[in-house]
Amino acid sequence: GENVEQHPSTLSVQEGDSAVIKCTYSDSASNYFPWYKQELGKRPQLIIDIRSNVGEKKDQRIAVTLNKTAKHFSLHITETQPEDSAVYFCAASYNNNDMRFGAGTRLTVKP
Amino acid sequence: NAGVTQTPKFRVLKTGQSMTLLCAQDMNHEYMYWYRQDPGMGLRLIHYSVGEGTTAKGEVPDGYNVSRLKKQNFLLGLESAAPSQTSVYFCASSQLGWGTDTQYFGPGTRLTVL
Repeated sequence: GENVEQHPSTLSVQEGDSAVIKCTYSDSASNYFPWYKQELGKRPQLIIDIRSNVGEKKDQRIAVTLNKTAKHFSLHITETQPEDSAVYFCAASYNNNDMRFGAGTRLTVKP
Repeated sequence: NAGVTQTPKFRVLKTGQSMTLLCAQDMNHEYMYWYRQDPGMGLRLIHYSVGEGTTAKGEVPDGYNVSRLKKQNFLLGLESAAPSQTSVYFCASSQLGWGTDTQYFGPGTRLTVL
């Protein structure tokens, strides 16, 4: 089955800097890659997603890139703010019957 | 719209006890899912449903059963709780399946099995 690895597990940046989180997946059939943000004690919320027919997608300060050949995708957050502090999860949709999540990255933005 | 709701929010069980977690959604979504979240392991799919009256196994189904008798409700049952089932359980729903639609999550149920 699909296996998703996420790095780093923790990331600390200064306010205003950029943050990059990377995920790799194992199944070349995966075609949907969402990113979720989870604040402490809250539910996961979708922040951006990308499909396999697209290489990059942007939404204001957030962008996701996908390299199908290398089977990895990344989340980029620019001009980070303290409210960006949260745990971020990547996921890969496997064969439209399952979704596997990465273990999460705890991002801390220091003011 | 309330979105996705879960009942209860917290529960403590003793080993061997049974319980049912209720998930309800008012968005008329076809797909519903149950996940568990453990520290350092992200979200893992337990069971899911692609429509009323249907259920299917996910990544970690052992020890759990589910039912989808009504489109808006998805129940997760633990017949004989074990300490390994201590976790935070999230329900989610979507109109279409993975790869095509956003999943909306409920607030979670924190379950402790002693």
